[in-house]
Amino acid sequence: QTVVTQEPSLTVSPGGTVTLTCASSTGAVTSGFHPNWFQQKPGQAPKPLIYHTNNKYSWTPARFSGSLLGGKAALTMSGVQPEDEAEYYCLLHYDVGWVFGGGTKLTVL
Amino acid sequence: EVQLVESGGGLVQPGGSLRLSCAASGFTFSSYWMSWVRQAPGKGLEWVANIKEDGTAKYYVDSVKGRFTISRDNAKNSLYLQMNSLRAEDTAVYYCAKDFDIWGQGTMVTVSS
Repeated sequence: QTVVTQEPSLTVSPGGTVTLTCASSTGAVTSGFHPNWFQQKPGQAPKPLIYHTNNKYSWTPARFSGSLLGGKAALTMSGVQPEDEAEYYCLLHYDVGWVFGGGTKLTVL
Repeated sequence: EVQLVESGGGLVQPGGSLRLSCAASGFTFSSYWMSWVRQAPGKGLEWVANIKEDGTAKYYVDSVKGRFTISRDNAKNSLYLQMNSLRAEDTAVYYCAKDFDIWGQGTMVTVSS
């Protein structure tokens, strides 16, 4: 069974920078996994942030960026705002479908 | 306005069936892969199934194979999820998504006696 692993929780200060990562139990994450990143706040549907590793949607704030880092997919937030406090999920594509990571709860404190 | 609206959720007994629907508007429905994603109470997101633009390819997470069927009607701009042999662990909010860039607000499915 394929497992996608994210940091369970991270804390960042307002204005700071934080990187969330997304690892695959099958090995290194490459662009072929088409990494996606989502933000979810309580009671809301997930909000897409990044697709295909590093592509932003028109609504994605400039402070969010996606990349590949050390065999993992990564989401970096620079100049974190209080409203960025949320759960963040990555999503990877495999031959037989898609798998979400377990999510990272980001606290801005 | 691009929109997805799910319906059909509710309370069902274990072993029962339910059919979810997702009405699409504001985009060319027949041009996109569509997915169902679920989220159990207090838990993370889980991809459930997806279907190709013309319905000729379908994929499922292992835990629902043989019990759930995804389908679409491009003439009605609608996506469906037929759920049979429901279990308590299927209890979740079910979202439909277009290419993962547009999501509905979700419909709650509760499996309980």
